[in-house]
Amino acid sequence: GNSVTQMEGPVTLSEEAFLTINCTYTATGYPSLFWYVQYPGEGLQLLLKATKADDKGSNKGFEATYRKETTSFHLEKGSVQVSDSAVYFCALSDPSASKIIFGSGTRLSIRP
Amino acid sequence: EAQVTQNPRYLITVTGKKLTVTCSQNMNHEYMSWYRQDPGLGLRQIYYSMNVEVTDKGDVPEGYKVSRKEKRNFPLILESPSPNQTSLYFCASFPRGIANTEAFFGQGTRLTVV
Repeated sequence: GNSVTQMEGPVTLSEEAFLTINCTYTATGYPSLFWYVQYPGEGLQLLLKATKADDKGSNKGFEATYRKETTSFHLEKGSVQVSDSAVYFCALSDPSASKIIFGSGTRLSIRP
Repeated sequence: EAQVTQNPRYLITVTGKKLTVTCSQNMNHEYMSWYRQDPGLGLRQIYYSMNVEVTDKGDVPEGYKVSRKEKRNFPLILESPSPNQTSLYFCASFPRGIANTEAFFGQGTRLTVV
């Protein structure tokens, strides 16, 4: 079945460091891919998405490219801020099963 | 403001005492879903509803019930809660199904069953 695997956390970086959070997926067909972010005490909110191969999603300085050949959707940011501290979830849509499949989440902490 | 509202935010209850977590959305979305979030497991789907009076099981439906009598409301019912249902619960709604659209999440309900 379809699945999402993302790197284990926690990830701790200093402010202005470069960020990569790895995400790979297994899917039949052509799912849409998403990154959601969960700030402390809040629900998840969409960070970015890509709906087809080679699409790049971007938002708030974060980027991710839908790579079909490597089945990956890695999240990157060139210079992180303390306010980026949160839990990040990679996800894919599975319309045949009427659900979104989430990875296990990666907790990111940014030191001032 | 477009939102998904869950209540309560926090709940401590005892084993076997029936409880309901409410979820309401004001965006006229057809598709709604319940998830539970547990450390290291991400979010797992409990139940979902594609429209009024249409509900179906997700990945972890045991011990839960739902109903969808109106488009805006999708309550989660635990008839006889047990400690293994201690978790963080999220309700979500989606416009036009789920294929390419973002989910709108409630703020979560942290449930503890003792």
